Amino acid sequence: ETGVTQTPRHLVMGMTNKKSLKCEQHLGHNAMYWYKQSAKKPLELMFVYSLEERVENNSVPSRFSPECPNSSHLFLHLHTLQPEDSALYLCASSQDLAAYNEQFFGPGTRLTVL
Amino acid sequence: TQLLEQSPQFLSIQEGENLTVYCNSSSVFSSLQWYRQEPGEGPVLLVTVVTGGEVKKLKRLTFQFGDARKDSSLHITAAQTGDTGLYLCAGVRYSTLTFGKGTMLLVSP
Repeated sequence: ETGVTQTPRHLVMGMTNKKSLKCEQHLGHNAMYWYKQSAKKPLELMFVYSLEERVENNSVPSRFSPECPNSSHLFLHLHTLQPEDSALYLCASSQDLAAYNEQFFGPGTRLTVL
Repeated sequence: TQLLEQSPQFLSIQEGENLTVYCNSSSVFSSLQWYRQEPGEGPVLLVTVVTGGEVKKLKRLTFQFGDARKDSSLHITAAQTGDTGLYLCAGVRYSTLTFGKGTMLLVSP
């Protein structure tokens, strides 16, 4: 595997379910990100991790819980989501936190909350 | 208030045509990035422009950063069906990256 991979690619869940999204980067990067991409809205940065420590949480509801066990893996744990949380969730990584660095994105997980 | 406005939101053209899409803001950015996102995939960085007035070319794509570093344009010459996708601009400001909503480009044969 190369680049940034995300699983699952598609997920349908009920509002009472608990699920997790997984992201893995094979680039040796030190920073990882979760973004939410909704129709007709700009990409929204959710969480930023640098060297496995969370450095930014952009007022994301607590029903989204990130986890970064090591510099290559990033998870997004989901519980009691709402239908408006349906979106494409993108993971990205970069060499470090310098914003001008290229961010490499995964293909995303298309989430539908029923 | 949206920090980065992209226009048009949607553009449908025939193969061989030229087009320009815009990314505008009232804020100054230290640099600006353009990404292309194809259906079912994540965004892929095309170019980063850093200096006001800078012009960068990537084959048939020409990127320009405004003199005041508040706006940018992407011009595509002789569009091909492979250019179809969502074009996103992202501005770097105070060590954060802010994205626009994107321009969806559809190039038909």
